[in-house]
Amino acid sequence: KQEVTQIPAALSVPEGENLVLNCSFTDSAIYNLQWFRQDPGKGLTSLLLIQSSQREQTSGRLNASLDKSSGRSTLYIAASQPGDSATYLCAVLTSGTYKYIFGTGTRLKVLA
Amino acid sequence: KAGVTQTPRYLIKTRGQQVTLSCSPISGHRSVSWYQQTPGQGLQFLFEYFSETQRNKGNFPGRFSGRQFSNSRSEMNVSTLELGDSALYLCASSSGEGGSETQYFGPGTRLLVL
Repeated sequence: KQEVTQIPAALSVPEGENLVLNCSFTDSAIYNLQWFRQDPGKGLTSLLLIQSSQREQTSGRLNASLDKSSGRSTLYIAASQPGDSATYLCAVLTSGTYKYIFGTGTRLKVLA
Repeated sequence: KAGVTQTPRYLIKTRGQQVTLSCSPISGHRSVSWYQQTPGQGLQFLFEYFSETQRNKGNFPGRFSGRQFSNSRSEMNVSTLELGDSALYLCASSSGEGGSETQYFGPGTRLLVL
C-alpha cells in the first residue's frame, strides 16, 4: 500500500531564502509524481509533474527532483517570496491505479 | 480551454440529508476522479470514472456514490450526511488513457454538515 510522507509539516523562512521541501513514498512502482500548491480555502494548483522516467523538472524558480529507487522527491524553491506562502502537497500515481496518493503537505510561510 | 468546474462552490446541509455535487471536466477529458479533503485525514481518493464506468474506488462507505454521463460530466452523491462529511470535495480530470497524464483539479466544493 502506497504511503506518502512530507517533511517538514511546517516551515517559516525569511524572504529571499532558498528552500527544500521533501516527499517520500513507500512503493517505487509509480507512473508519476506531482507537486501541488494549495492556498487557504482554495483548490489545488499543479506546479510540476515528473514522469517515472524523469529525474527532474523545472519551472521558473521551482525545481523538482525524483529518485524512484530511494522513494524520494524534493521541491526546491529559489529566492522565496511572500507570495510563495501556501501549503505544498506531493502526490504519487502508483502503477496499476488511476488514483493519486497525497502526502499531508508542508505549510510554508515566507516572511517579508 | 476552460478548466475543471465544480458546482456548487459552497453548500450547507444538515445531518441525515443527502447532497449531489457536480463536476465538469476539461473538454476532451474522459476521466474524472473525486477526492475528499479534511483537516484530519488530508486528501483521500473517493473514486474515478472513465467513459461512464467506475474504474477505481477508494475506501469510503457506500453512502458515497458517483456516476458519469456520456459527456464526461460527473456527479457525486452523499446520502445520510454525517458531521464528519464536512470537507472540501475536489474533482480532477485527465484524458484517462495511460498513466502519465496530468490530473487537473477543480476549485472544489466546500460542504458543511450541521
